[in-house]
Amino acid sequence: GAVVSQHPSWVICKSGTSVKIECRSLDFQATTMFWYRQFPKQSLMLMATSNEGSKATYEQGVEKDKFLINHASLTLSTLTVTSAHPEDSSFYICSARDRRLAGTNEQYFGPGTRLTVT
Amino acid sequence: SQKIEQNSEALNIQEGKTATLTCNYTNYSPAYLQWYRQDPGRGPVFLLLIRENEKEKRKERLKVTFDTTLKQSLFHITASQPADSATYLCAPSNNAGNMLTFGGGTRLMVKP
Repeated sequence: GAVVSQHPSWVICKSGTSVKIECRSLDFQATTMFWYRQFPKQSLMLMATSNEGSKATYEQGVEKDKFLINHASLTLSTLTVTSAHPEDSSFYICSARDRRLAGTNEQYFGPGTRLTVT
Repeated sequence: SQKIEQNSEALNIQEGKTATLTCNYTNYSPAYLQWYRQDPGRGPVFLLLIRENEKEKRKERLKVTFDTTLKQSLFHITASQPADSATYLCAPSNNAGNMLTFGGGTRLMVKP
């Protein structure tokens, strides 16, 4: 149980284009999902918190107009990188909290999406 | 500001030995502390969660301690195996927050 999937697992796009990354909780409902970014040999940095049915909360320094987050259902959140540039190349990882475990901060992570912007 | 420190240098040990990884935090009073394993190019995998009122938690070959006085958590892997080689991340968190803030991680290499 507690499986989180991401699609695509890797993507290469040209500078200036937009890329959508999907995060799905496969066997549980997630009222909250999180998006992280990880640069090589660095730890995960939280970008935003995505709540089902409401606007995402972005961390300081993360442009909300560039990283569009939609959490339309209890099992799906999407991150769209708009007008991507080479500096956006990174490993994007989502996580989800099982709504039944709301009393703790236990999260289940997706396998990550490798984005390369050329 | 909150700070989470893990030894950035890789830990190299011989198979069968006990690996001990350290997580120190400052300017912080977390109610929980979690440990994750991350393999290259993969997302983190949850291992253990310990609460502030728990001194120690075990799961198979894994043991975690949580010393709120020292502001430190130790993560032990007994009878280590080459398959345990990975980066291990600690993530303290509090009651009110949802977000996880990760330490930089420590890379463990278990040699056969």
